[in-house]
Amino acid sequence: DAGVIQSPRHEVTEMGQEVTLRCKPISGHNSLFWYRQTMMRGLELLIYFNNNVPIDDSGMPEDRFSAKMPNASFSTLKIQPSEPRDSAVYFCASSFFGGHGDTQYFGPGTRLTVL
Amino acid sequence: QQPVQSPQAVILREGEDAVINCSSSKALYSVHWYRQKHGEAPIFLMILLKGGEQKGHDKISASFNEKKQQSSLYLTASQLSYSGTYFCGTGGLNNTDKLIFGTGTRLQVFP
Repeated sequence: DAGVIQSPRHEVTEMGQEVTLRCKPISGHNSLFWYRQTMMRGLELLIYFNNNVPIDDSGMPEDRFSAKMPNASFSTLKIQPSEPRDSAVYFCASSFFGGHGDTQYFGPGTRLTVL
Repeated sequence: QQPVQSPQAVILREGEDAVINCSSSKALYSVHWYRQKHGEAPIFLMILLKGGEQKGHDKISASFNEKKQQSSLYLTASQLSYSGTYFCGTGGLNNTDKLIFGTGTRLQVFP
C-alpha cells in the first residue's frame, strides 16, 4: 500500500507569494496531521483533522496559514502571503483513529524555501 | 511542555549499546518513538501506552515509567543503520491532547 503522499517535494518561492502544499493520507486513515520542522523549533504540530473536521488548530502560527480537508483523501496547507521565516520542512502524517494513542505515519515532507 | 531528551547526541562504535531518555513535566498517556534520517521523514519505531509496559523488536526496546513521566529507548549492539535523530513524542492523559515531540537525540554509529 502507498504511504502518505505529499507534493511538491520541494518548493522555492519569493516572499509575498501564495504557497499550497498537498497531502494524500493513507487510505482508511481517519486522522490527518500537518507538522512543521525547523532547526530552532523542532517538530511542531500545526493542525490536526479527524474525519475531515479540524480538531486542533492551535499550532497554526497566524492568519497567513490555512488548512482544508475537503474529503478523506486530500488535504491542503496554504500560506498566503509567504515570508522567509516560513522556510521549513512541512510534514503531513495520518493515523487510523486519531488521538495520541495511535501510530502516526509521516509523508516524505515538502521542503519550503521562501526567498 | 516539550519533553526533554537526553543526551542531545551520542557517538557509538558498531556493536555498542545506547540509552536515550525522554522526560515530561506532565502526566502521560502515551510515548511514541521515531527515528529520522537526514532529509527523510520520521519513521515510527514503537508506541508505549499508560501501564508501564516495555516493548521491543529486534535489538531496540523501550520502557515507560508513567509515575516518573519518563521513557527510555534502548539500542543494543548498535548497527550502522541505527544512525539518525531519535524523537520521542508524548501525549497527555486526555486522548485528544496533541502529540508533542522532544528536541531529538542525534545518534551516530561508526564502523
